[in-house]
Amino acid sequence: QKEVEQNSGPLSVPEGAIASLNCTYSDRGSQSFFWYRQYSGKSPELIMSIYSNGDKEDGRFTAQLNKASQYVSLLIRDSQPSDSATYLCAVNMGLYNFNKFYFGSGTKLNVKP
Amino acid sequence: GAVVSQHPSRVICKSGTSVKIECRSLDFQATTMFWYRQFPKQSLMLMATSNEGSKATYEQGVEKDKFLINHASLTLSTLTVTSAHPEDSSFYICSAVGFSGGARDTQYFGPGTRLTVL
Repeated sequence: QKEVEQNSGPLSVPEGAIASLNCTYSDRGSQSFFWYRQYSGKSPELIMSIYSNGDKEDGRFTAQLNKASQYVSLLIRDSQPSDSATYLCAVNMGLYNFNKFYFGSGTKLNVKP
Repeated sequence: GAVVSQHPSRVICKSGTSVKIECRSLDFQATTMFWYRQFPKQSLMLMATSNEGSKATYEQGVEKDKFLINHASLTLSTLTVTSAHPEDSSFYICSAVGFSGGARDTQYFGPGTRLTVL
């Protein structure tokens, strides 16, 4: 079992719709959770981080964390063609192993005009 | 804040030569830097983890004598690909983790270096 699992997609949504990206992780000791966006041929860029259960909103993006169920999700409202990219979920072990990160393999999102 | 630079952004070299890639955290001090490699349409592959002043920790299957990592300061790490061959052609990306403020426990990625070995 991989430490972080994501559906590889592609996930296709029409412009203006809500895109929902999901990620599950295996280690209950995980402390910090991140979403990165990676455009083709570019390096990943940080979208959001979340540390506590619940929702965290930043503009059109909302990260949701449920530690009991060991999943983290990213919602993108009013999706735009420019949101088309691969979204990487990352988990950090935090307190006891703060330099240990696990990345999912990414979900490719296509937003169709 | 939390900007990481990489230099060069693109390099083309002949087989057998060595190539050095620099990774710098511009506005924060990095406890740890990571080096990744990514082939087209594939996932990030962690190559090694480096901490300032100590030897890098390499992932299984990564040749430490071929991919030399030096983490000379809290803001600079270098990756040297020695005796490069065409199969080393790839996109090399570094990232840095800070130990204070907004950069703490978060990986920030450099823009990457595209290496082509002829």
